[in-house]
Amino acid sequence: DTAVSQTPKYLVTQMGNDKSIKCEQNLGHDTMYWYKQDSKKFLKIMFSYNNKELIINETVPNRFSPKSPDKAHLNLHINSLELGDSAVYFCASSRGGEGFYEQYFGPGTRLTVT
Amino acid sequence: AQSVTQLDSQVPVFEEAPVELRCNYSSSVSVYLFWYVQYPNQGLQLLLKYLSGSTLVKGINGFEAEFNKSQTSFHLRKPSVHISDTAEYFCAVTRRNNAGNMLTFGGGTRLMVKP
Repeated sequence: DTAVSQTPKYLVTQMGNDKSIKCEQNLGHDTMYWYKQDSKKFLKIMFSYNNKELIINETVPNRFSPKSPDKAHLNLHINSLELGDSAVYFCASSRGGEGFYEQYFGPGTRLTVT
Repeated sequence: AQSVTQLDSQVPVFEEAPVELRCNYSSSVSVYLFWYVQYPNQGLQLLLKYLSGSTLVKGINGFEAEFNKSQTSFHLRKPSVHISDTAEYFCAVTRRNNAGNMLTFGGGTRLMVKP
């Protein structure tokens, strides 16, 4: 049973297209995240989201929008894809509330924009 | 804002040798500290974390790390590595009481264990 799953695993698309990446967690967690890992393996937070609050990293272009139909899902929609969007995108989840709780990561989605 | 520096991008080491992966952080407020491991084509897995208390923390797979507040460091160590430890290792921090618990990662260190 996969704790945090992402679909698709690989996504190849052309510049200008709109695409979505889906994330689901079956851990009963309240908080979910999206991270971007570039070609040099550098990881950067994009969003943190729970039922009450969306925290957006201010450096993320507004072409990127998280959408959460329910607590177990956090999808990432990207408009007008650019070459620089090519990366591996990781979803993660954790318990919410005060203090820190371990984040569990999905296997990643490798996005290639041509 | 906080930042994390991993001083070595690659660390080659022979099997059964000890290893230290270095991590330094910068933050104006108190932080929590973590080490994650990423095996090829996989997601990240938490190795260990420092939240409070003893500055020496033990994690999975025989790894340990020591928090040094004066040197703002959190170096990862293992006394004897295995081939299976070959992976990318990431140091990360988050501010205490950080809304959203968003992690700031270092650039990663590739540990290459040779037979």
